[in-house]
Amino acid sequence: DTEVTQTPKHLVMGMTNKKSLKCEQHMGHRAMYWYKQKAKKPPELMFVYSYEKLSINESVPSRFSPECPNSSLLNLHLHALQPEDSALYLCASSQDMALQETQYFGPGTRLLVL
Amino acid sequence: GEDVEQSLFLSVREGDSSVINCTYTDSSSTYLYWYKQEPGAGLQLLTYIFSNMDMKQDQRLTVLLNKKDKHLSLRIADTQTGDSAIYFCAERSGGSYIPTFGRGTSLIVHP
Repeated sequence: DTEVTQTPKHLVMGMTNKKSLKCEQHMGHRAMYWYKQKAKKPPELMFVYSYEKLSINESVPSRFSPECPNSSLLNLHLHALQPEDSALYLCASSQDMALQETQYFGPGTRLLVL
Repeated sequence: GEDVEQSLFLSVREGDSSVINCTYTDSSSTYLYWYKQEPGAGLQLLTYIFSNMDMKQDQRLTVLLNKKDKHLSLRIADTQTGDSAIYFCAERSGGSYIPTFGRGTSLIVHP
């Protein structure tokens, strides 16, 4: 099983809503990532968890709050987002953060903030 | 300037070979990657090459690395319409856990 799954596939939310994005992998990977990708741009790293601890936060606004409940799950909690936060949010995982030979990406959640 | 550069578009005829080029600036780059992204989908790792290699071949894909010129290329033989996608080049240096991505090359395959 080399699959990273993400739910939901699409999400529309208002600026006052609270929602969560979910990511799951069962490959035994110990590093998990959130990326944000705008149209026709490369993905931009947001957060990295290593062994369920937050290792990297790329100066992401606090309206994005990551959570890693266990080694298979990664959440991204959203609150008071802005329209410019509309993007494709990609989750990825790899065996280990220091041995990043293979990073597997999920299909993404397409988020629209109204 | 950008750390990883790619041309934005490439158009080829079905059955021809495609060559997508990438240049990078970090001389300590350890791993270099090619990812494919189809419309509305996530990124699929196609292949990667370690910096002590010059070439890597995997079925229709050939990766060439010129370390002196910091140039990476991806050749797709017998290009098919299903190869139409955006191809991202990425590099990771030994001191960084996170790859740096290029802006992506849109490959358009026409009959």
